[in-house]
Amino acid sequence: AQRVTQPEKLLSVFKGAPVELKCNYSYSGSPELFWYVQYSRQRLQLLLRHISRESIKGFTADLNKGETSFHLKKPFAQEEDSAMYYCALSGGGSGGYQKVTFGTGTKLQVIP
Amino acid sequence: KAGVTQTPRYLIKTRGQQVTLSCSPISGHRSVSWYQQTPGQGLQFLFEYFSETQRNKGNFPGRFSGRQFSNSRSEMNVSTLELGDSALYLCASSPSGTGNTEAFFGQGTRLTVV
Repeated sequence: AQRVTQPEKLLSVFKGAPVELKCNYSYSGSPELFWYVQYSRQRLQLLLRHISRESIKGFTADLNKGETSFHLKKPFAQEEDSAMYYCALSGGGSGGYQKVTFGTGTKLQVIP
Repeated sequence: KAGVTQTPRYLIKTRGQQVTLSCSPISGHRSVSWYQQTPGQGLQFLFEYFSETQRNKGNFPGRFSGRQFSNSRSEMNVSTLELGDSALYLCASSPSGTGNTEAFFGQGTRLTVV
């Protein structure tokens, strides 16, 4: 069974401080991992995926297979980063089709 | 290109009733997934449909069911509503549903069971 754990429900940081949103996963194969973000009153949307190895809005995430983690990081938090962040894993579902499992989410609050 | 559209946006139902929620995916997308979002549980996967067939199913009771039509539009039905079914129900579509493609979410339907 695949599982995604986001241990923090709420993370408060000051503007300009570094941010690290934690995500740990459990999956026996090679997972595809994503971070989704939901800004206030907006739809849930993709922020980044590990396969792209890209930096979006200053955020990066590295897949660490040894620690089964995919933490989201940003060196300097901005007020507009305040949002709900979900880590997601895509892995084997029934019948060989991939299934996406989301974590419970972490609310990031950037204090001015 | 129009985004994922969910109707209705808000719904209030009484315990024991049933409800049907609708999702119109982005044009050309054949995969539709449904999620239940609650403050305590986060996003929980309900099921996924692709070309009118249910491909994956989450751990929800049989009261939760869905279907997909030939035009990829999907409906979700909850029968014998319980207070605990109150949640935001999100629909997401993707072109093929393979795991490494982006899922596009709708605004959701806020269901309140009283």
